[in-house]
Amino acid sequence: DVKVTQSSRYLVKRTGEKVFLECVQDMDHENMFWYRQDPGLGLRLIYFSYDVKMKEKGDIPEGYSVSREKKERFSLILESASTNQTSMYLCASSLPGGRRETQYFGPGTRLLVL
Amino acid sequence: SQQGEEDPQALSIQEGENATMNCSYKTSINNLQWYRQNSGRGLVHLILIRSNEREKHSGRLRVTLDTSKKSSSLLITASRAADTASYFCAASNTGNQFYFGTGTSLTVIP
Repeated sequence: DVKVTQSSRYLVKRTGEKVFLECVQDMDHENMFWYRQDPGLGLRLIYFSYDVKMKEKGDIPEGYSVSREKKERFSLILESASTNQTSMYLCASSLPGGRRETQYFGPGTRLLVL
Repeated sequence: SQQGEEDPQALSIQEGENATMNCSYKTSINNLQWYRQNSGRGLVHLILIRSNEREKHSGRLRVTLDTSKKSSSLLITASRAADTASYFCAASNTGNQFYFGTGTSLTVIP
């Protein structure tokens, strides 16, 4: 079974802090994704990556950056956390398109920025 | 940009009844998927239907796809209390990106 893990289930940070959210998958998937989920807005794509050191902006990349130094790990970075970044963050991975396109999700990190 | 839109936003039914959720999307797709999310957890893949398919079954799940109307429906038959969750559709065009809707919150009353 695919396993996607996220470094924290709950996180509380202060405005202006630099925040790192880590995601690790164990199925050698090329694609990895970061979403944020807010009530009434569904899942919105922040960044995704097709391969190591590759990254592409999603729909709402402002205020975020990512790092993918190893295939299994995809990190989301909030350079200077703000209260409007309080949200549920979901990481996912998948094989490349044209094959098994199912996304496998981690359990999520609920981030509160004070 | 949001590609999927579920309807209704919330649904409450009695155990044993069928639950139907609808999804509309905006552009051409390669496939459409349905996911389930229990409260405070990640999403779990339920079923995938490709653009050249019209109907697909998996256990108590039945998915239909109408590409001319850009819509899909998810039917859960003989619902159980454990089916209580949020359900999301996700439209995929190239296969590398997925566009999720806002979800339908299903409550099954024992």
